Amino acid sequence: AQKITQTQPGMFVQEKEAVTLDCTYDTSDPSYGLFWYKQPSSGEMIFLIYQGSYDQQNATEGRYSLNFQKARKSANLVISASQLGDSAMYFCAMREGRNQAGTALIFGKGTTLSVSS
Amino acid sequence: DAGVIQSPRHEVTEMGQEVTLRCKPISGHNSLFWYRQTMMRGLELLIYFNNNVPIDDSGMPEDRFSAKMPNASFSTLKIQPSEPRDSAVYFCASRGGLRAEAFFGQGTRLTVV
Repeated sequence: AQKITQTQPGMFVQEKEAVTLDCTYDTSDPSYGLFWYKQPSSGEMIFLIYQGSYDQQNATEGRYSLNFQKARKSANLVISASQLGDSAMYFCAMREGRNQAGTALIFGKGTTLSVSS
Repeated sequence: DAGVIQSPRHEVTEMGQEVTLRCKPISGHNSLFWYRQTMMRGLELLIYFNNNVPIDDSGMPEDRFSAKMPNASFSTLKIQPSEPRDSAVYFCASRGGLRAEAFFGQGTRLTVV
């Protein structure tokens, strides 16, 4: 069974608009972490934001925020005020267990975001 | 810090040849991961190590694939013999300390012809 599901293969947004990229996850472990990475056309994987399963507040990092809805098992990425440089592939990932357990990140299939002027 | 360093960045080889990909994790990190990225299958976890010990190699596709981590600062992923379907981008990533996220290398683009 897929542990991370990203249902939007592609999303289109205009500059300065906000966009939400969807991610749902599946785990029975009460301790887990959720991550978003960005992969521009150059190919590198860039970490954006992290949310722990016990965190009470939604994570924010600059223009990125993670809309964490635990009961629905969703961890959507919200990018505010989109910029042309945001055009990239975005991956949602999950790690089961606590950070110290050293388990691996499992990735979704990704969503391609295209920002137009 | 130099980040995770992978070599080579690009590799073109003929079917049947042995291929060795190399990775130097970030100093002090105790977890190291190998991933493979293709259009069809996305980012797949191949194997990961904690404190130089392989923990889960269930993602290694076949016996043709092997990985080692002889010390905390070096890991290799070997494919022998290589096949055209092994063509992909191979990423190494490391994580350590209190940080939750993994840091990725630039990847090795492997083409098997």
